[in-house]
Amino acid sequence: QSVLTQPPSASGTPGQRVTVSCSGSSSNIGRNAVNWYQQLPGTAPKLLIYDNNQRPSGVPDRFSGSKSGTSASLAISGLQSEDEADYYCAVWDDSLNGWVFGGGTKLTVL
Amino acid sequence: EVQLVESGGGLVQPGRSLRLSCAASGFSFNDYAMHWVRQAPGKGLEWVSGITWNSGSTAYADSVKGRFTISRDNAKNALYLQMNSLRAEDTALYFCAKAAREWLETNWFDPWGQGTLVTVSS
Repeated sequence: QSVLTQPPSASGTPGQRVTVSCSGSSSNIGRNAVNWYQQLPGTAPKLLIYDNNQRPSGVPDRFSGSKSGTSASLAISGLQSEDEADYYCAVWDDSLNGWVFGGGTKLTVL
Repeated sequence: EVQLVESGGGLVQPGRSLRLSCAASGFSFNDYAMHWVRQAPGKGLEWVSGITWNSGSTAYADSVKGRFTISRDNAKNALYLQMNSLRAEDTALYFCAKAAREWLETNWFDPWGQGTLVTVSS
């Protein structure tokens, strides 16, 4: 059971907009910035969004992040087949004194 | 180009020990915190441990506390994870990851290595 709750799956058709939620608590998302990672099949995770809503260079602006209270969201607009991957949220937890990840959301492009 | 290359994984019996290494290049290693994150087969990501730039502070997941020890050698640009009293549930692909800053918290991991597989089985 992960400290951060993500839906196990999400799906959309090419061109659609999809969102992935990440629910936490006052000791993690409520106090600290959220990061998102993308893991393509058979590869290492890659940083997608940092500090709630910042995109590293090279990440398309189709990807965006937001945070409100103890929840965060990742939005992907203009969905493309290459976006099919697992997506994880992560945040520092002040009570656990460590990093916590969401259980991951498998995105399928139909 | 920043590169992280893990090594040291393999098949080990329950109760035995293993030491993982992560060779870093392409950046000033002694300026950044480093972390280990693992992924059990078919499962999600689990943070394992982190260490600050100067080894002044370390942190561990409850699942490995007291069994695993993280360390680094800034002269060798290397990160280590000493894993003792291994259990079947420690079976996973172990990634090392560079933090964006010198401390452990309020940070992000970028990049990640390709991982080294640890299998704990008799």
